[in-house]
Parts: sequence; C-alpha cells; structure tokens
Amino acid sequence: AAGVIQSPRHLIKEKRETATLKCYPIPRHDTVYWYQQGPGQDPQFLISFYEKMQSDKGSIPDRFSAQQFSDYHSELNMSSLELGDSALYFCASSLGRMIEVGNTIYFGEGSWLTVV
Amino acid sequence: KNEVEQSPQNLTAQEGEFITINCSYSVGISALHWLQQHPGGGIVSLFMLSSGKKKHGRLIATINIQEKHSSLHITASHPRDSAVYICAVSGNTDKLIFGTGTRLQVFP
Repeated sequence: AAGVIQSPRHLIKEKRETATLKCYPIPRHDTVYWYQQGPGQDPQFLISFYEKMQSDKGSIPDRFSAQQFSDYHSELNMSSLELGDSALYFCASSLGRMIEVGNTIYFGEGSWLTVV
Repeated sequence: KNEVEQSPQNLTAQEGEFITINCSYSVGISALHWLQQHPGGGIVSLFMLSSGKKKHGRLIATINIQEKHSSLHITASHPRDSAVYICAVSGNTDKLIFGTGTRLQVFP
C-alpha cells in the first residue's frame, strides 16, 4: 500500500540558505501535518492543512512557510536557515482531520535537514 | 509537568519477556496514539484508541479514560521490537502532544 512520501530524504544546506521539503500524502488523504524533531527531542507540531487550507498552526518560525496544493501534496519552505533548524522533519497525513475521532494518522519516513 | 508522561524511559528485556509501557496524560483527549520510532527516524502508527482495548499481533493497547492512563503491552518480545515507543494524544486541534518516549531494547 502507498505510504506518505517525503523528499528529499536528506538535505544539507548552509546557513542563510533556503530549503524546500515536499510531502505526498497517502492517496485520498486530505489532511497533512508537519512536525520538526530536533536531536534527542520530541516531535514539535509546525502546521497542518485540510482541503488545501491551513487548519492549525503550531510553533512554526516566521522564516518558514507551507502550503497544500490542489493534488494535496504539501511543501514546507524554510528560509534564512539557522544551525538550530537542523532536524528531522516529519510529514503525516490522514483522511479527515484528527479532531474527528477515528481518523488515523500516518507518518512519512522524514526528511533529515542539516544546516552547516 | 509534561501533559503526557511515559514510564519507564528506558527498558531492557530478554527475548520472550512480556513488556508493559505506561502512559498518563493530564489533558482532555479525543484519541490516544501509540507510535513506534526506529533508529533512522521513521515513525509507525501502532494504535489509535479512544476507549477500551485493541490487539494487533503481539501488541495490545488499553486505555482507561477515567484514569487518563494507557498501557502498551508486547507479548513474547523479540529483538526486532527494539525501538522507541511513543505515546501521543490528540484533542480538539490537529496537534499531537507527544510523550517523551520509552526506549526499548530486547536482547536475544
């Protein structure tokens, strides 16, 4: 069965550069979530989209932006990268929002971003 | 105090042992999720519970809504079960609140 696909899996950028991460949800899934997991830390919720509209926002820096496109894939754009942005970025998807009981969330393998 | 607490933080077992990981939460939830994260990052959703008990293979998850407590049990543990097990809760937002995880190592 198709899973959540993230690309690239690994990315190395220099400080002040820009990076874009892509997420392709499971087919028919209409909700996408982005999480950031720093080394040795719990995943932190960044932002979510439902039916191409932002549905919830967490601790996403102003330097970051994201959107969900008409085919439901999502992109996380990160600008003016800082060393502290080095982390594993997870995308997840679900059919319907998690606030509706019964909707299971599926995670991608994550994209490793290293800022040097 | 974290909104989601797990115990133990680290767990070592011999192959074949019965394992229990506990999760307590202090917030209202719509569902509780048990997740597995292997070295290298990938997170797999094991269970989503809003009440009662679920079983999948050697894994059993229970939740007591009144006591705000959930347990994940692994029967006949195997070295391939070695991973970080994470309890996370969802409420009235899209955000999952994660516990700090339990690192399990099963030795042959």
